[in-house]
Amino acid sequence: SQTIHQWPATLVQPVGSPLSLECTVEGTSNPNLYWYRQAAGRGLQLLFYSIGIDQISSEVPQNLSASRPQDRQFILSSKKLLLSDSGFYLCAWSVTGGQPQHFGDGTRLSIL
Amino acid sequence: AQKITQTQPGMFVQEKEAVTLDCTYDTSDPSYGLFWYKQPSSGEMIFLIYQGSYDQQNATEGRYSLNFQKARKSANLVISASQLGDSAMYFCAMREGATVGYSTLTFGKGTMLLVSP
Repeated sequence: SQTIHQWPATLVQPVGSPLSLECTVEGTSNPNLYWYRQAAGRGLQLLFYSIGIDQISSEVPQNLSASRPQDRQFILSSKKLLLSDSGFYLCAWSVTGGQPQHFGDGTRLSIL
Repeated sequence: AQKITQTQPGMFVQEKEAVTLDCTYDTSDPSYGLFWYKQPSSGEMIFLIYQGSYDQQNATEGRYSLNFQKARKSANLVISASQLGDSAMYFCAMREGATVGYSTLTFGKGTMLLVSP
C-alpha cells in the first residue's frame, strides 16, 4: 500500500532563517505531488504541484520554492523565512490528476 | 467569485443522528470532480468520498454519502449515525478539467462539526 511521510511534524524558526520541509511517498511510481499551506482556521492554499522529476508548477508567487530531486521526493524550501510564512504545511500525492489526493500528517511551522 | 462555498462555519449534532454539511460550487467546465475531506484536530487530511460530474448515482462510502444536485451545483455531505469521532473540520474540494496528467484542487473554507454524546 502507498504511504506518505512528511517531516518534521513541528518546527519553530526565527525570521530570516532558511527552511527545508521534506515529503516522500512509498508504494507508487511517478505520483503527482503537491504542497499546500493552511493558515489558522482557514482552508488549504495550493503552493506547488509536480507531475514529474524537476517539473514544478507554482500557484502562488511567494517566498517559497519547491524541488523534486527524485520521483517520490518533494521538498519545500525558503532561503529567508518571513513571519507570514507561519502555518500548517501539507504534502499530498495522487495517482493522476483525477484521483483523490492523499495527505501527509503536516508540519506546523511557527516563525518567531 | 468563490469556486467552493461552505456556508456553515460550525454544525452541532447529537451522537447517532444524521447531519448534512453543505457545499456549493461554481464551474463552467463540464468535467469536474468533487471531494470531501475530514481534518481532525491532529491536522491530517483524510479523504472521505468522491463524486464525478458524469456519475449518474450519488457516491456512498460507509456512513458517508454525497447528495449531488448538479443543476443546483451542490454536493452536500451526509453523515449518517454520527459518532463522537466524527468531530472534525470538513472540507469540500473541486477538481476542474481533465483527469489525466495533472489537475489541482480548490478547497472551501470548511465546516467544523461537533458531535455531542
